[in-house]
Amino acid sequence: NAGVTQTPKFRVLKTGQSMTLLCAQDMNHEYMYWYRQDPGMGLRLIHYSVGEGTTAKGEVPDGYNVSRLKKQNFLLGLESAAPSQTSVYFCASSDPGQIYEQYFGPGTRLTVT
Amino acid sequence: AQTVTQSQPEMSVQEAETVTLSCTYDTSENNYYLFWYKQPPSRQMILVIRQEAYKQQNATENRFSVNFQKAAKSFSLKISDSQLGDTAMYFCAFMKRHSGGYQKVTFGTGTKLQVIP
Repeated sequence: NAGVTQTPKFRVLKTGQSMTLLCAQDMNHEYMYWYRQDPGMGLRLIHYSVGEGTTAKGEVPDGYNVSRLKKQNFLLGLESAAPSQTSVYFCASSDPGQIYEQYFGPGTRLTVT
Repeated sequence: AQTVTQSQPEMSVQEAETVTLSCTYDTSENNYYLFWYKQPPSRQMILVIRQEAYKQQNATENRFSVNFQKAAKSFSLKISDSQLGDTAMYFCAFMKRHSGGYQKVTFGTGTKLQVIP
């Protein structure tokens, strides 16, 4: 089991460019999440999904879009990157039957210049 | 809304000594879960220990234990016999099952722990 994987691990974008971050999990989890981590602010939820074909806004959704076309994948899109989106992005997944734990990917460091 | 406060941005401890990381939270809920996550320099988030609010007994995982004071809304992490591999950022987190079915987790801002040889 690879667990939760994220692609890419690092990326540098110029302001206004677009990109998609891919998250994949092989644990057959129903729930998936995208967080961003900024210095001194912990992790904040961007969007989440409770199942294939469903998405919902989290705490800080502005400037991001997501899609969950397949159960194992959760995509995070930035249509027009801004310097304020410079951050480390984490994907996580969990199973509603296992209420204790979210499993995290290794993170993607994104820099927007 | 729930809030989680970690008042110690940075801490250090000598190898083999004991250290306690503090966490307080604010909630009106009665049933919830609390967690400590470890984030080493590799950035990987690793679950260290969890506590269910309805359980009075403090959770223990090998060298890691918690002091859960529900009335005081306090959830501290004690690391005994500190090892160099414990050097990491530690996040306290609160989870309440949301009415929509997903698990909303609120994280603290983290405590950076340095274990000194």
